[in-house]
Amino acid sequence: DTGVSQDPRHKITKRGQNVTFRCDPISEHNRLYWYRQTLGQGPEFLTYFQNEAQLEKSRLLSDRFSAERPKGSFSTLEIQRTEQGDSAMYLCASSLSSGAVSPLHFGNGTRLTVT
Amino acid sequence: AQTVTQSQPEMSVQEAETVTLSCTYDTSESNYYLFWYKQPPSRQMILVIRQEAYKQQNATENRFSVNFQKAAKSFSLKISDSQLGDTAMYFCAFMPRGGANSKLTFGKGITLSVRP
Repeated sequence: DTGVSQDPRHKITKRGQNVTFRCDPISEHNRLYWYRQTLGQGPEFLTYFQNEAQLEKSRLLSDRFSAERPKGSFSTLEIQRTEQGDSAMYLCASSLSSGAVSPLHFGNGTRLTVT
Repeated sequence: AQTVTQSQPEMSVQEAETVTLSCTYDTSESNYYLFWYKQPPSRQMILVIRQEAYKQQNATENRFSVNFQKAAKSFSLKISDSQLGDTAMYFCAFMPRGGANSKLTFGKGITLSVRP
């Protein structure tokens, strides 16, 4: 069990640029979640997948945000035309859903700074 | 929609003492899970303890225990024999049981400092 892996750990970009983050969940986990966390706040839900299907998207996820999980394994989160308000920690988590829900296991996050 | 409220932004406790972190929630769901997660400074979020709403017995994990009051929609975390490594942000979280709506909703968190 190597845990949830996120890449990169840090990303600094200029306003208007596109960025893409990657998340590799725990291998047997079928659910994958993206959250956004700003300093001193709790994580806010963005979206989640069960296998390759995106089951729910938050209203926080504007049209500039898109997430994919093409083969039901790793996932990418892309932000187009970044804005300073996008600066945050982006957390990925995974879990196994098979009747009873298992707790979410989180990665270390990707810290995005938009200048 | 569910809401999770942690009204204490910060707490401090002396090493080896006991501290209780408060959490209330609001939901129309009858079956759900409650969690406490710990996030040490610059480190990843890890699960501390979880409670299933249909279980009346309060969950316990070593020095960590909860006081779950379903009617009052209250879910507090008690940390006994506090250690310096317990210094972290603690988040209370809620998840409905079953169905497609299976996301965690977090509170704003509480910063706990353990003093030597």
